[in-house]
Amino acid sequence: QVHLVESGGGVVQPGRSLRLSCAASGFNFNNYAMHWVRQAPGKGLEWVTLIWHDGTYKYYADSVKGRFTISKDSSKNTLYLQMNSLRAEDTAVYYCARAFCSSTNCGADYWGQGTLVTVSS
Amino acid sequence: DIQMTQSPSSLSASVGDRVTITCRASQDLGNYLAWYQQKPGKVPNLLIFAASALQLGVPSRFSGSGSGTDFTLTINSLQAEDVATYYCQKYNSAPLTFGGGTKVEIK
Repeated sequence: QVHLVESGGGVVQPGRSLRLSCAASGFNFNNYAMHWVRQAPGKGLEWVTLIWHDGTYKYYADSVKGRFTISKDSSKNTLYLQMNSLRAEDTAVYYCARAFCSSTNCGADYWGQGTLVTVSS
Repeated sequence: DIQMTQSPSSLSASVGDRVTITCRASQDLGNYLAWYQQKPGKVPNLLIFAASALQLGVPSRFSGSGSGTDFTLTINSLQAEDVATYYCQKYNSAPLTFGGGTKVEIK
């Protein structure tokens, strides 16, 4: 059974950094690309970033490019999101999601429960 | 970047009704389009991938159609448990944009 558990959220001041983690189990983490998707309070879903199964390719939304970095540690079955220079508009629930891919085209089939990040002074 | 436009933004229908939600892309996506359901306070759930393929475990009253720029999610015989917000997502290339969502309520 696929299980994804995010952690690391909390309240952080603007301009500071935070690292989110997503512990994966129930599938071969080495073989899957992974996403981060966020949802601001009362708003819709916003795709944030995707990492290839082997980490060779990474893609980012323009809103986070240059500030956020996705990575995965297959030895720990863990996905990470390093978030720097945080802004108030980054306040959201952050979900990690397993990717299903057809060639290089990847949607999201299993989602974690999410972790809330609040950027506020 | 490709823009994704969902309509309507909300709808109210009766139990047993047929409900249709549309998603329009500003450029050709082929069939790289997914639909997700997010019930209130819950995590998004994949319903449809490749525009028309039903994800395992999803009730057969849900169906998807379309290709290129115009896509449709249909709920045949709406049930009370289908109250949710529905999102389309393009996944042909980054950015993997979601539509704005359609909130479905029971009349």
